[in-house]
Amino acid sequence: AQTVTQSQPEMSVQEAETVTLSCTYDTSENNYYLFWYKQPPSRQMILVIRQEAYKQQNATENRFSVNFQKAAKSFSLKISDSQLGDTAMYFCAFLKNTGNQFYFGTGTSLTVIP
Amino acid sequence: ETGVTQTPRHLVMGMTNKKSLKCEQHLGHNAMYWYKQSAKKPLELMFVYSLEERVENNSVPSRFSPECPNSSHLFLHLHTLQPEDSALYLCASSQNGQGGYGYTFGSGTRLTVV
Repeated sequence: AQTVTQSQPEMSVQEAETVTLSCTYDTSENNYYLFWYKQPPSRQMILVIRQEAYKQQNATENRFSVNFQKAAKSFSLKISDSQLGDTAMYFCAFLKNTGNQFYFGTGTSLTVIP
Repeated sequence: ETGVTQTPRHLVMGMTNKKSLKCEQHLGHNAMYWYKQSAKKPLELMFVYSLEERVENNSVPSRFSPECPNSSHLFLHLHTLQPEDSALYLCASSQNGQGGYGYTFGSGTRLTVV
């Protein structure tokens, strides 16, 4: 079975600063995908960034980037130049290459302080 | 417009009531999902429908009954629920076999069982 662990229930960051959210996972699979989803107070889960495990290059999407360490089974999210709109719950998720079922972590509540 | 629409947004029901949650997507996806989101717990996959056939039922109690009449609509019928069933119920969709691109989620139904 796959497990996803987010060890930081809550974090805060000053506006315009950089923050890193941690995620580790456990799997025996070699091919899989990893995701970060954002859930603002509107409750809709929004895809922030995705990483294919076979790619060594870390994914980036504007101010969002990941540090993917496959051997360590670590997948952290870095948010640069934090904005007030980044305040949300952030979920790390795992998907097997051949599956439909996502495995989610328990989430990190991020607050951006003006 | 999120692409996945869930109604109602909020629902309060007694333990003897019968109600239904509705999910609708017009993204051309052919796989749809129900997830349960409880505080401080990972999202729990409840049901998966692929090409309108139910492919997974993760030991969900029979008081939850899904229905997928076509690839655009998904229902979750509720009856004789318990207070511990109070949670946010999220619907999601994806293109079958292309989960690696991520799910598209709705904004959820906040269910309170009294």
